[in-house]
Amino acid sequence: KNEVEQSPQNLTAQEGEFITINCSYSVGISALHWLQQHPGGGIVSLFMLSSGKKKHGRLIATINIQEKHSSLHITASHPRDSAVYICAVGGTYNTDKLIFGTGTRLQVFP
Amino acid sequence: EAGVVQSPRYKIIEKKQPVAFWCNPISGHNTLYWYRQNLGQGPELLIRYENEEAVDDSQLPKDRFSAERLKGVDSTLKIQPAELGDSAVYLCASSSVWQRQETQYFGPGTRLLVL
Repeated sequence: KNEVEQSPQNLTAQEGEFITINCSYSVGISALHWLQQHPGGGIVSLFMLSSGKKKHGRLIATINIQEKHSSLHITASHPRDSAVYICAVGGTYNTDKLIFGTGTRLQVFP
Repeated sequence: EAGVVQSPRYKIIEKKQPVAFWCNPISGHNTLYWYRQNLGQGPELLIRYENEEAVDDSQLPKDRFSAERLKGVDSTLKIQPAELGDSAVYLCASSSVWQRQETQYFGPGTRLLVL
């Protein structure tokens, strides 16, 4: 069993839909990262969470440390949101080793 | 500010050939990571450098993979000889413990295809 599990693995949506991607982990952590990877591109960090909730534009990330679960929400989805979203867990200092999930491939159609 | 630079972006080689990837981290970042990402998978750490010292290379297949970070800035990752299973995207990332930045910054990756 992977230490970081994401669901769903693949997700398609119509433009404007509200999207939720889930991440569950089995190890003790002090921080969780949500990353975005576009086809052929590098990885961009979206959020780093240690508790509660963070919001940036149409993106919202939440984490429940007790339940070892995090969600990434996209409101009013747009085709440009199409990418692979990766959950990774690690320490609060960025030099700690990150353990990555396998990613959720999102496709938003106009 | 320039991001993490990697080259080449794409590389196609025949099996048993050597290949090398280069990474230039963000200026001032003392920590450098090499990851391998197989299709449909998340990245896996191969090696992590603090300045010029490799502090975590437990996942690096040392029989064919080698890496160096001379002078604690640029880094190269080499595979010799390459095998079919080495086809993947090789990602470089950097971070700065001194600035306590919260994230690793990733390069665009080198997509390797071994035929």
